[in-house]
Amino acid sequence: KNEVEQSPQNLTAQEGEFITINCSYSVGISALHWLQQHPGGGIVSLFMLSSGKKKHGRLIATINIQEKHSSLHITASHPRDSAVYICAAPPTSGTYKYIFGTGTRLKVLA
Amino acid sequence: GAVVSQHPSRVICKSGTSVKIECRSLDFQATTMFWYRQFPKQSLMLMATSNEGSKATYEQGVEKDKFLINHASLTLSTLTVTSAHPEDSSFYICSANDLAGGQETQYFGPGTRLLVL
Repeated sequence: KNEVEQSPQNLTAQEGEFITINCSYSVGISALHWLQQHPGGGIVSLFMLSSGKKKHGRLIATINIQEKHSSLHITASHPRDSAVYICAAPPTSGTYKYIFGTGTRLKVLA
Repeated sequence: GAVVSQHPSRVICKSGTSVKIECRSLDFQATTMFWYRQFPKQSLMLMATSNEGSKATYEQGVEKDKFLINHASLTLSTLTVTSAHPEDSSFYICSANDLAGGQETQYFGPGTRLLVL
């Protein structure tokens, strides 16, 4: 069992749909990192959050540190949102390196 | 936000040649940079941690003589794939830590796609 688990692994949605990607982790961390990797490969940092909720445009990320669970929501999805979304546990005093989730491959159809 | 660049973005080389990939932090200083390797549809795999002014720390199973890392300045780390073979073909991504404001944030480069013929 991975220390950082994501669901679903693959997701196909119609343009305009509300999308939720979930991330559960078993490692002890104080913050979680959401990343986006486009088909070309480059990785963009979306959110680093340690509590509550953060919003940027149509993206919303929430985290519950006690329950070790985070969600990434995309409102009014668009084909350009098609990408792999990765949650990752940043290094801590106990783990010196990032622990990546397996990623959620999202495809938004026009 | 902070920006990390990589050069080249893609490279095709013949088997047996060496390839150097550069990773630069453009608007911040990074004492630590990380090198990852990613195979198609798989997660990033940490290869090594590059420390400015000291030797890199390699993950288990990664040959340090095969993947030479140099972190000569606070804004530049290089990864050299020596005597490349087709099995070294992969997507290589670097990242760098920005410690500004007392919070450590890691920024990823755009990656370098290596194809060894």
